[in-house]
Amino acid sequence: QVQLQESGPGLVKPSETLSLTCTVSGGSISSYYWSWIRQPPGKGLEWIGYIYYSGSTNYNPSLKSRVTISVDTSKNQFSLKLSSVTAADTAVYYCARDNGVVVAATPIFAFDIWGQGTMVTVSS
Amino acid sequence: SYVLTQPPSVSVAPGKTARITCGGNNIGSKSVHWYQQKPGQAPVLVIYYDSDRPSGIPERFSGSNSGNTATLTISRVEAGDEADYYCQVWDSSSDLVVFGGGTKLTVL
Repeated sequence: QVQLQESGPGLVKPSETLSLTCTVSGGSISSYYWSWIRQPPGKGLEWIGYIYYSGSTNYNPSLKSRVTISVDTSKNQFSLKLSSVTAADTAVYYCARDNGVVVAATPIFAFDIWGQGTMVTVSS
Repeated sequence: SYVLTQPPSVSVAPGKTARITCGGNNIGSKSVHWYQQKPGQAPVLVIYYDSDRPSGIPERFSGSNSGNTATLTISRVEAGDEADYYCQVWDSSSDLVVFGGGTKLTVL
């Protein structure tokens, strides 16, 4: 079955750029929406943004100026870059797949497959 | 932006029924999804499209959505159901994904 695995540095210095990659195994990255979601320690879930396999993106307005999500279909991977990080960006970062269900020609964005999550700490 | 409101905590005795609400302006017009998250684990989708269950999710989990409130109902609650539960929608007007703040379910 499809599995997701996040990878990247666990420690990032303030003002630098956080970079993570999500590798999709057991299936194709095509024909789905792929999201990044984060969770600060002890807090709730925050959606960062999504990318469609074709490359179209949409971001959370609260992070939009600092976020870039890209896809590499040849590697079955998608990536997150978050610039100018601060301690407030310390969180577990998850990648997730939309389940592909469409209602009235629009996706419903229910995340049926998640990576295990990777903890990223912003500290000098 | 669209806001989803959940109670911070719900407590229920084993074998009883737990109901977790998710409030939002005219949420009945949106598709609501629910996730269960246990400590140290990734969230798991337990209900999507208001009331559909993914494969492998027990029938004890059900959902409803009408007006300004969506509800996740867990029947015959077990100790293993103790977890944080999050509701989530996609707001079509802004093309944004929104999560509720989460509800901690405690099994007494």
